Amino acid sequence: DADVTQTPRNRITKTGKRIMLECSQTKGHDRMYWYRQDPGLGLRLIYYSFDVKDINKGEISDGYSVSRQAQAKFSLSLESAIPNQTALYFCATRGRMNTGELFFGEGSRLTVL
Amino acid sequence: GENVEQHPSTLSVQEGDSAVIKCTYSDSASNYFPWYKQELGKRPQLIIDIRSNVGEKKDQRIAVTLNKTAKHFSLHITETQPEDSAVYFCAASMDFGNEKLTFGTGTRLTIIP
Repeated sequence: DADVTQTPRNRITKTGKRIMLECSQTKGHDRMYWYRQDPGLGLRLIYYSFDVKDINKGEISDGYSVSRQAQAKFSLSLESAIPNQTALYFCATRGRMNTGELFFGEGSRLTVL
Repeated sequence: GENVEQHPSTLSVQEGDSAVIKCTYSDSASNYFPWYKQELGKRPQLIIDIRSNVGEKKDQRIAVTLNKTAKHFSLHITETQPEDSAVYFCAASMDFGNEKLTFGTGTRLTIIP
């Protein structure tokens, strides 16, 4: 089945370390997103990309960077992790124009000590 | 920007009863309102959505109603079943393709057998 895959699923790291979360998809979708989920705060958009040459900041991009290596791959980096970046991170994809549905990956739980 | 408020944050209902979750939004230009369901430990998945050119949409036991004048929309689940237990998120954006989809903070619904 076409899907959205995230790695790693769980990661514990220390303050100041560089972390990369990776996302790949087999849905053939152009649009890819990174969201952060915190208890009581819902899902907040970090970055999104329409294609390999198009990267856009979301509402909480500070402290994060992204790379769209190919249509199917979108990675999220924390250059110097801090404890308040402890959260559940979701990658998502969306097809072109005629549907608003987001297809989420299974999530990456990051703990920064 | 858009602000979406969701209530209640937790809801417990007896199996077979109905559940209602309400959301309000601030931007009168918003016209696309999806609902996502997230089961414990799983990824969010779209269950129903509505655009502002309709006031109600149904899909089997779930329905969404929209009041554009009051800027609020609601999710209704009838004849609740144990598998309805999950966290539900509402969201709002200006249209299908608009990347600024703002999520509510979520409602944890528990169905009591």
